[in-house]
Amino acid sequence: NAGVTQTPKFQVLKTGQSMTLQCAQDMNHNSMYWYRQDPGMGLRLIYYSASEGTTDKGEVPNGYNVSRLNKREFSLRLESAAPSQTSVYFCASSEAGWNRPQHFGDGTRLSIL
Amino acid sequence: GQQVMQIPQYQHVQEGEDFTTYCNSSTTLSNIQWYKQRPGGHPVFLIQLVKSGEVKKQKRLTFQFGEAKKNSSLHITATQTTDVGTYFCAELNTGTASKLTFGTGTRLQVTL
Repeated sequence: NAGVTQTPKFQVLKTGQSMTLQCAQDMNHNSMYWYRQDPGMGLRLIYYSASEGTTDKGEVPNGYNVSRLNKREFSLRLESAAPSQTSVYFCASSEAGWNRPQHFGDGTRLSIL
Repeated sequence: GQQVMQIPQYQHVQEGEDFTTYCNSSTTLSNIQWYKQRPGGHPVFLIQLVKSGEVKKQKRLTFQFGEAKKNSSLHITATQTTDVGTYFCAELNTGTASKLTFGTGTRLQVTL
């Protein structure tokens, strides 16, 4: 049982390039999330999808877009990468409802030069 | 926005010593979740606290939710090297999904 799978695991981009981070879960979870983690700042929510067909902004959505492709997949796109977006990106999923634990993928380490 | 403060930022203990991390909020928390992240790894859910004054135990880990639901703590008794990692509390926001606001985390280092 893979849980939450993120691809790629590592990526280096140049400023201005675009990229899509992929996330898929096999737990039949309704809700999915994208976070970024910077040193000393914990995890911050970028976007989330409460259920298939819906997406909403989190705490730090600027510079990102998301697509909930189907129940399993939730992608994060950087249209024009900036050095400030260098971070570790985590995807997570949870069952329907507001008080469910989240299950995280292994993360994508993204560097933007 | 909501802010969840976590202290200390870092603690280094010798194996066998106890460890406590504290999570504080200026507003009443609906519920608190705790996660552990090993170095280079991803956050892993530990526990959820919902009720005022709630205390839950998992082997050597004791989790507590304050009476006023404005703070929470995680206490580890007799730390082991396997306890190394960063411990995060996370406040649950109301809504249709489990939106979390994470604290800044406490990094625990355990040496022999």
